This record gives sequence, C-alpha cells and structure tokens, in this order.
Amino acid sequence: DAKTTQPPSMDCAEGRAANLPCNHSTISGNEYVYWYRQIHSQGPQYIIHGLKNNETNEMASLIITEDRKSSTLILPHATLRDTAVYYCTLGGGADGLTFGKGTHLIIQP
Amino acid sequence: NAGVMQNPRHLVRRRGQEARLRCSPMKGHSHVYWYRQLPEEGLKFMVYLQKENIIDESGMPKERFSAEFPKEGPSILRIQQVVRGDSAAYFCASSPSAYSNQPQHFGDGTRLSIL
Repeated sequence: DAKTTQPPSMDCAEGRAANLPCNHSTISGNEYVYWYRQIHSQGPQYIIHGLKNNETNEMASLIITEDRKSSTLILPHATLRDTAVYYCTLGGGADGLTFGKGTHLIIQP
Repeated sequence: NAGVMQNPRHLVRRRGQEARLRCSPMKGHSHVYWYRQLPEEGLKFMVYLQKENIIDESGMPKERFSAEFPKEGPSILRIQQVVRGDSAAYFCASSPSAYSNQPQHFGDGTRLSIL
C-alpha cells in the first residue's frame, strides 16, 4: 500500500499556480519526498525531491512541513502541458518506490 | 525521459509464449528498477538489480517472471508462458547509486498485450 495520500483530481486555471498536496504522516527520518508526473502513455518524469528543507528547481517548488508529515508541490505558472497525473512518493536508500494513484491535475484554458 | 531506453515500446504475445523486455539505463547508472502498471493503476515495484546481482525482488510474482542485469548489455525482464493478466505497461528506471537522495529516472515503458 502507498504510504502517501493525495486528492484524486484537481483543476487549475492556465497561468495560475497549481498547488498539489500530499500527506505522508508515517514518513521515517531518512526518507525523501519525491514527486513525479506521468503524461498519458509516457513514463514517469522526475520533478523534484526533498528531505526537510524547501526545494526549488526549474520545474517546481516543494514545500515540506516542519514535522515532515505533509508536503505541497507548486507549479508556479501552470500551462496546458502540465496536465498529467502527479505522484508523491517516499524514497529511502535502495528501495523501490511505492506509487499510489496520484492526483490527476487538469489545467483549464 | 531521455536516457533510459526501453524496447520494444509495444509487444504482442499469444498466451503461452515468452516475453522479453529490455532496458538500457542512463549512462553512468548501475542500478535498475522494474515496475508494472496495470490500466488505471499506479506503478508497482517489481525488482531492483545492480550489475549481475538481484538486490530486491519482493515485488516479483513467484512464478514465470525473472530479471537479470548482466555485466554487459541491457537489463532483461522475462515473462514465461504469458497469460492475459500479464497485459500491462512495464517501466524501467535507473539511478546512479543507492543513496536516498538520488532520484530514479524512468524510461517510456513497454506496453505488453496478450492475445
């Protein structure tokens, strides 16, 4: 079973910030929070990951709460091409990742 | 997803045949992971390999499925005597090390269809 909980779907207007939440209340101390997205018929695309500090890269920002029990992925200026299923997953060492059903983000024009 | 190469992209087999799926990791990556995705489902971990070694096969079905990652050449996921329930997308991912802060990068998968 997935160790993360995400809403099944979200809508966001094009050009606005998309904020995708994830709960991971059972996260252990050495587990990173990873975000991937999957556009239909393609493989999962790595977006960002973090341990306890907030992170930012060219694609997104990741905000992790101080107790590390939840996080938020922020796409600052969503475009139609950001429509995808977004997965929040936990990674620790050499373990395989566990994916839930993710959040289907739909960007509205 | 440039870098991790999977082939074939689509594979059709009849029940009882063998399916061989290949994965070449990104350059410099020696850790390979295989995942299976059923329709409308998330990805499920199957097996983790390093060169010539299976490290974790806790997600592999006990029968008919095997995986290898030889010293030379791609990683191979082999499914013997395929059944209709094996129809799925199979994804391979690679990483440069087993450290927690090294993300896995995925290929575009092999879509296996069983007639």
